[in-house]
Amino acid sequence: EDQVTQSPEALRLQEGESSSLNCSYTVSGLRGLFWYRQDPGKGPEFLFTLYSAGEEKEKERLKATLTKKESFLHITAPKPEDSATYLCAVQAYSSASKIIFGSGTRLSIRP
Amino acid sequence: DADVTQTPRNRITKTGKRIMLECSQTKGHDRMYWYRQDPGLGLRLIYYSFDVKDINKGEISDGYSVSRQAQAKFSLSLESAIPNQTALYFCATEPSKGAPWSTQYFGPGTRLLVL
Repeated sequence: EDQVTQSPEALRLQEGESSSLNCSYTVSGLRGLFWYRQDPGKGPEFLFTLYSAGEEKEKERLKATLTKKESFLHITAPKPEDSATYLCAVQAYSSASKIIFGSGTRLSIRP
Repeated sequence: DADVTQTPRNRITKTGKRIMLECSQTKGHDRMYWYRQDPGLGLRLIYYSFDVKDINKGEISDGYSVSRQAQAKFSLSLESAIPNQTALYFCATEPSKGAPWSTQYFGPGTRLLVL
């Protein structure tokens, strides 16, 4: 069964303290893996799409990486405005009409 | 003005009532999606539409129906609301160029409470 698991559920960091969020997935043929950011009371905002193992993408203090079993969202020297819930989602070739979202990691950055 | 709007933003209804959630977009995208979000479960796809004449069921379509009135409008209906349909509902759009689900733009959400 296709599955996405994000860890940790919640993460509290001090401003400037770098860390990583994990997204583990089990799908039969990965078509794409997606990262979104969601602020309280708002809809998710697209960050990255990764298609193949070894691929990396960066945006400001965020870098997403992909292996055959998991993806990491690395946050370097975070600022309070990076506080949000980060969602991971995958799509498999075997179910092109289906996207599976993880339950997210709530990230809180203290000044 | 927001590119993807949802109305209402909040709604309280009673079991058995029919309600409609509306989504409008000014992005000119052909693809539109409806999701629901529950605590601890993540987003789940209800229905999606790749153009005005195309409607497809998602993972959890039972109890829901949709209407694509125009390129810019995609409505979600609950024919007879039940308490376990209490959730946060999101509409999303996507340009036709590129693979589906590659870059979605979400609306602000509708918080629905079914008593």
